Amino acid sequence: GGIITQTPKFLIGQEGQKLTLKCQQNFNHDTMYWYRQDSGKGLRLIYYSITENDLQKGDLSEGYDASREKKSSFSLTVTSAQKNEMAVFLCASSIDSFNQAPLFGEGTRLSVL
Amino acid sequence: GDSVTQTEGQVALSEEDFLTIHCNYSASGYPALFWYVQYPGEGPQFLFRASRDKEKGSSRGFEATYDKGTTSFHLRKASVQESDSAVYYCALGEPSSGQKLVFGQGTILKVYL
Repeated sequence: GGIITQTPKFLIGQEGQKLTLKCQQNFNHDTMYWYRQDSGKGLRLIYYSITENDLQKGDLSEGYDASREKKSSFSLTVTSAQKNEMAVFLCASSIDSFNQAPLFGEGTRLSVL
Repeated sequence: GDSVTQTEGQVALSEEDFLTIHCNYSASGYPALFWYVQYPGEGPQFLFRASRDKEKGSSRGFEATYDKGTTSFHLRKASVQESDSAVYYCALGEPSSGQKLVFGQGTILKVYL
């Protein structure tokens, strides 16, 4: 069976720091997603990619960069961490957003001191 | 843009109670609709999907029927158990909007013995 692996599981950063989160999937899925999860606000789409080297902005892309250099991996960079920020970042992958339900990794938990 | 609204932020029930979580959507085209469940410390897990009017999706005793007329996909379960306590998310995927997957705010379900 396939798996989506997010690294690291926990990330502690300093204010202003650039932080990179990584996601790998072995389903051979075309589409990959990055979501941010804050308490009481659901899942908000940051970036998604429909194929290698493609990037599409979601509703929350400001303050983030993304990279899809290989079909199997999708990384997200927080360009400047905000003080006291706490959130969970979730990666997902799918064939597409209609014919198959995207599958999620377990998340990266970010805390900024 | 496409959106999903879950009416209840939190639902508290006793075991064997009937569950309804309301989900309404707004989309430019004819989306696929999904329900996910998330347990603490894990990523969201796919429950089921539907993609046509009047289609019923179901899994683990949960069910929802796609209703294009009322733009709804309400989650129901006849008899909840304590182990159903989790966060539930409704989502839509609309291919004409480029493989985006849009989530509702989530509903926290707590089931008491």
